[in-house]
Amino acid sequence: DQQVKQNSPSLSVQEGRISILNCDYTNSMFDYFLWYKKYPAEGPTFLISISSIKDKNEDGRFTVFLNKSAKHLSLHIVPSQPGDSAVYFCAARAGSARQLTFGSGTQLTVLP
Amino acid sequence: DAGVIQSPRHEVTEMGQEVTLRCKPISGHDYLFWYRQTMMRGLELLIYFNNNVPIDDSGMPEDRFSAKMPNASFSTLKIQPSEPRDSAVYFCASSFRLDWEGYTFGSGTRLTVV
Repeated sequence: DQQVKQNSPSLSVQEGRISILNCDYTNSMFDYFLWYKKYPAEGPTFLISISSIKDKNEDGRFTVFLNKSAKHLSLHIVPSQPGDSAVYFCAARAGSARQLTFGSGTQLTVLP
Repeated sequence: DAGVIQSPRHEVTEMGQEVTLRCKPISGHDYLFWYRQTMMRGLELLIYFNNNVPIDDSGMPEDRFSAKMPNASFSTLKIQPSEPRDSAVYFCASSFRLDWEGYTFGSGTRLTVV
């Protein structure tokens, strides 16, 4: 059973608008969450992270929100740009564990 | 540093053949991970090493899969015999124990078993 779920396989938004990517998790031991971005024929690259002691983390156009009670996190991209078109993976880690559990990814397409 | 280097980039093989995927982690990184990406399941952890020692191989699908890390700069993932359902993109990633921002991934090996 998948412990990290991204229920939207794809998302399309207009350039300049907000992109919201969602992620749900089931393992209450997860306390650190990351988002990775993946372009075709490349490996995933780290984008932004959040610890469970926070409910928001911001880095430029990217903001991650964490709702621990709902076991839900989201990535907001504002404004969206065509170069943001990629697959976005949500990932989670428990305590001092080194391994990450990933979701299935969401393909974001930003239309010019 | 050139990053995590994986070879080959693409591999097409016939069912029943042995396949070996290779990975060179970033120098100084003490953790190495093998992941598999499929449409249905996304990125699945197969196995990971710490200081060349396998720590968790619970994600290895079955006995046909094996992984080794003979030294700090090289790891292999072997599938013998290969089956069509093994077709996927296989990623290697490495990290340093003090780096909590996750991994650095290689570009992956796209495996097709026909």
